[in-house]
Order: sequence, then structure tokens, then C-alpha cells
Amino acid sequence: AQSVTQLDSQVPVFEEAPVELRCNYSSSVSVYLFWYVQYPNQGLQLLLKYLSGSTLVESINGFEAEFNKSQTSFHLRKPSVHISDTAEYFCAVTGIQGAQKLVFGQGTRLTINP
Amino acid sequence: GAGVSQTPSNKVTEKGKYVELRCDPISGHTALYWYRQSLGQGPEFLIYFQGTGAADDSGLPNDRFFAVRPEGSVSTLKIQRTERGDSAVYLCASSQQGGGANVLTFGAGSRLTVL
Repeated sequence: AQSVTQLDSQVPVFEEAPVELRCNYSSSVSVYLFWYVQYPNQGLQLLLKYLSGSTLVESINGFEAEFNKSQTSFHLRKPSVHISDTAEYFCAVTGIQGAQKLVFGQGTRLTINP
Repeated sequence: GAGVSQTPSNKVTEKGKYVELRCDPISGHTALYWYRQSLGQGPEFLIYFQGTGAADDSGLPNDRFFAVRPEGSVSTLKIQRTERGDSAVYLCASSQQGGGANVLTFGAGSRLTVL
């Protein structure tokens, strides 16, 4: 079984500042890792994913996350945030063997202040 | 369809009543998932269908909850004898196939309020 811990429930930052949203996971098997985003009044949508290969993965809107196997982490970063990045961000993990369920963290609410 | 469609978007019911929530997945997606999201929490897995069969129902909290997918497309989540603690947003997602590498596409959710 897998579990996910998102260490910060809320992260307030100023516009154009850098941000890091922390995610740690636990699993006895190899994993796939995801970040999903939920903008206000919208459904969950995929932001980025790590399946294999390069441990650094990027989204189309400037976010990146790095898979660190030794620290069992998959932190999400952006060097300069915009007001439009205000949303709730969920880290999720699943085992790579078979049809396993996606397990989500508690979520981190990112609030961008002007 | 173009996306995952869930109906109703909002449902208010009284304690003890029966509720059905419907999910219409993306056409051709064989895998369908139900999650429940309580206020301030992440989505919590309920059940996963591969085709018509429930491949994993380990997340259903008790026998008041049941889900079907009789023709391998539309799914219905059924809740009997609703309790106030069942109040949450129920999310449906689908993917082309089961398996961890496949990205889930989520619907907008059905918000259930039990008075």
C-alpha cells in the first residue's frame, strides 16, 4: 500500500516569488508519482507526472517536480508564481505493478498575494 | 463525450434516504474510478471498475455503499440509509486502461449534503 504526506496545508506567497510545495510518499514497491491541481470552482486536472526516465519533470505552465527516491519525495516548485496559480495542489502516488489505485495527499492550498 | 460527466452536480437529501450518483466517462475509457472528497481533504479512493467488473472495491466504507457499471460505460454509485457523515463531493474519473501509468480524467463532482 502507498501513502502520501503533504507537509503544508496552506502556502501563501507574493506574486513573482518562488514557491515549493512539499510531498513525501511511502511505498514498499516502485511507484509512479503525480501532481494534480484544482483551480477554484473547477475539477481536478493533471499538472505533471513521473513515470520513468529523467527524475525532473515539467508542466506547460512553468512548474517542475523532482523525483528523489532516496528521500521518497516529489516536491513541486515554480521559480516565479502568478495570480492565476492560485489553486489547491494534490500529490498522488500509485504502485507500478498491476492496476493499482491512485492515492492522494491532503492537498496544499496555494494563495498568491499581489 | 468530451469529458467525464457527473450528475447531479448538487444533491441535498435527508438522513436515512437513498441516493444515486451517476458518472458518464469519456467514450472508450475502460477504467472508471470513484473517489470521495471531504472538506479540506484529498480525494479518498472508493472503487475501481475495469470494464463491467469491480476490480478493487476496498475503499467502500461499509455495505451502505454500492456501485455498478452494467454495460462498461456509465456507472452509478448508490448510497443507502444516508448519514450526515456521507456529506462530501463524490468524484468520478476514467482512464483509457487500468494501471498506474494511465492518467485519470476527473469529472466536476457531485456534491452530496445529508441534512
